[in-house]
Amino acid sequence: QQQVKQSPQSLIVQKGGISIINCAYENTAFDYFPWYQQFPGKGPALLIAIRPDVSEKKEGRFTISFNKSAKQFSLHIMDSQPGDSATYFCAVDTGNQFYFGTGTSLTVIP
Amino acid sequence: SQTIHQWPATLVQPVGSPLSLECTVEGTSNPNLYWYRQAAGRGLQLLFYSVGIGQISSEVPQNLSASRPQDRQFILSSKKLLLSDSGFYLCAWSLTGGVPLHFGNGTRLTVT
Repeated sequence: QQQVKQSPQSLIVQKGGISIINCAYENTAFDYFPWYQQFPGKGPALLIAIRPDVSEKKEGRFTISFNKSAKQFSLHIMDSQPGDSATYFCAVDTGNQFYFGTGTSLTVIP
Repeated sequence: SQTIHQWPATLVQPVGSPLSLECTVEGTSNPNLYWYRQAAGRGLQLLFYSVGIGQISSEVPQNLSASRPQDRQFILSSKKLLLSDSGFYLCAWSLTGGVPLHFGNGTRLTVT
């Protein structure tokens, strides 16, 4: 059973554009919503995370928007750069178990 | 600072051979430890997690097993590998009951 559903599977954006990746979940027990960035051949690295008590968190060009009532959260990458080309995973956490979305392959075209 | 070590980085094994992947964490005590598998072009599948020495929870029935002989050591094993065991295996840790999750650099396993 997929704990979190992620879309789109792949995304192509022009340099300077906005990249948006969405995730949806069902279990209201989740209380931590991170996004991870993975480059080929490497392990995923934490990019940004949010708790359900806030609706938005921004770190540099990366923003998480969180909609508790809709049980959805999204990653926005502003001014996308070729170096942002990677696979992005959303995740949910129950305290001891982390479940990941299926990933979004982002390509930023120069 | 905390660091996670995972080895080997790549491994090619024949079908039916045994497997042992090791992961160690430095700079913290009593971490939660995790094994994930990532098939080519796909997401991260949680295989095992451990909240303490000798405490292993399995998420997916398979021919793999995990052990935690020491506080900061996590081992993934198999007695006989299958072709379907090929993939990218990632070890990860988190603070007890806490976040976030930190990953190692993974082991690329190819079963031939």
